Amino acid sequence: EDQVTQSPEALRLQEGESSSLNCSYTVSGLRGLFWYRQDPGKGPEFLFTLYSAGEEKEKERLKATLTKKESFLHITAPKPEDSATYLCAVQANTGNQFYFGTGTSLTVIP
Amino acid sequence: NAGVMQNPRHLVRRRGQEARLRCSPMKGHSHVYWYRQLPEEGLKFMVYLQKENIIDESGMPKERFSAEFPKEGPSILRIQQVVRGDSAAYFCASSPRDSDGYTFGSGTRLTVV
Repeated sequence: EDQVTQSPEALRLQEGESSSLNCSYTVSGLRGLFWYRQDPGKGPEFLFTLYSAGEEKEKERLKATLTKKESFLHITAPKPEDSATYLCAVQANTGNQFYFGTGTSLTVIP
Repeated sequence: NAGVMQNPRHLVRRRGQEARLRCSPMKGHSHVYWYRQLPEEGLKFMVYLQKENIIDESGMPKERFSAEFPKEGPSILRIQQVVRGDSAAYFCASSPRDSDGYTFGSGTRLTVV
């Protein structure tokens, strides 16, 4: 069964304290792995798509990496405005739907 | 270029009533997806539509739920005879092609009282 597990569930960081969020996945043929950011009361906002092991994408303080079993979202020198829930999703070759994890709730303290 | 538009943002229905949720995809996007997010749970796929066609409804409950994406107008997710367990945030997403990352709307928060 295709599934996604994210850890930790919640993470509190001091401003400037770098860390990583983990997304482990099991999928019958990976079509793509997606990272989203979700703020309270809003829809998920697209961040990155990764398609193959070894691929990396960067955007401002965020960097996403992909292996055959997991993906990491690295946050360098975070700021309070980076506080949000970060969602990981995978799409399998065999279907159209995305399988989402339950997210990591990130709080960055000034 | 407006994003994915969902309305209403909040919807309150009594048990047994019908709920209609609307979604207008981004301009140029012909693929629409509906997801449901329950408290403390991840987003769960419900249905994938293209204009006038349901492509994949494997995540839709077999009864009371239906979806459409007509040739003209928004996509509609319809829930008949709502029950308390239907209370959730319902998100619509669109993409220009099947394999692209989605653009999500802000969601409709349904509360059944």
